[in-house]
Amino acid sequence: AQTVTQSQPEMSVQEAETVTLSCTYDTSESDYYLFWYKQPPSRQMILVIRQEAYKQQNATENRFSVNFQKAAKSFSLKISDSQLGDAAMYFCAYRSLNTGNQFYFGTGTSLTVIP
Amino acid sequence: NAGVTQTPKFRILKIGQSMTLQCTQDMNHNYMYWYRQDPGMGLKLIYYSVGAGITDKGEVPNGYNVSRSTTEDFPLRLELAAPSQTSVYFCASSYWGRELNQPQHFGDGTRLSIL
Repeated sequence: AQTVTQSQPEMSVQEAETVTLSCTYDTSESDYYLFWYKQPPSRQMILVIRQEAYKQQNATENRFSVNFQKAAKSFSLKISDSQLGDAAMYFCAYRSLNTGNQFYFGTGTSLTVIP
Repeated sequence: NAGVTQTPKFRILKIGQSMTLQCTQDMNHNYMYWYRQDPGMGLKLIYYSVGAGITDKGEVPNGYNVSRSTTEDFPLRLELAAPSQTSVYFCASSYWGRELNQPQHFGDGTRLSIL
């Protein structure tokens, strides 16, 4: 089974600064999809950004961007101009095209935004 | 615009009791999933379904059962509640088709305590 590793249990960033959350994964598949989800204290899971493995161009959604390194199996999330509302738990997820199209989640990174 | 609806939002059970967590989605998604999230941890897959009538075990299926009689509904059954099943449960759904980059849509979660 695929594994997703988030090596930073907690991160903090000053408001308006930039922070990068790391994610690595292990797979033998060549085609797959990667996602970052945000879980605020309300516990809702909110999609932040997605990346198709066959695309070399890094995905961007407003202040959120990724650095996708396929050979290194790395998928980091960069948050620019951090806002207080960005404080949340962030989960990296891998979607397999095999194994029943399962999603595999990392253990999460808790992001604190300091005013 | 309901999306994925889970009921109940909170429940306290006594050891040995049984209950069913309800999940329904109105997006005509073929894939549905049940996860549990223990405090400070990521999501662990309990069961998933690739379509009506088809279910399969995830990472932590013991103590749970599911059924998928319709596309919309994917209930999760706990037969003999144990303290180890105290957790937050999330139901999710996704579409798998030509647009393979579709994320999971999550319900708001059910906080379950077994005492």
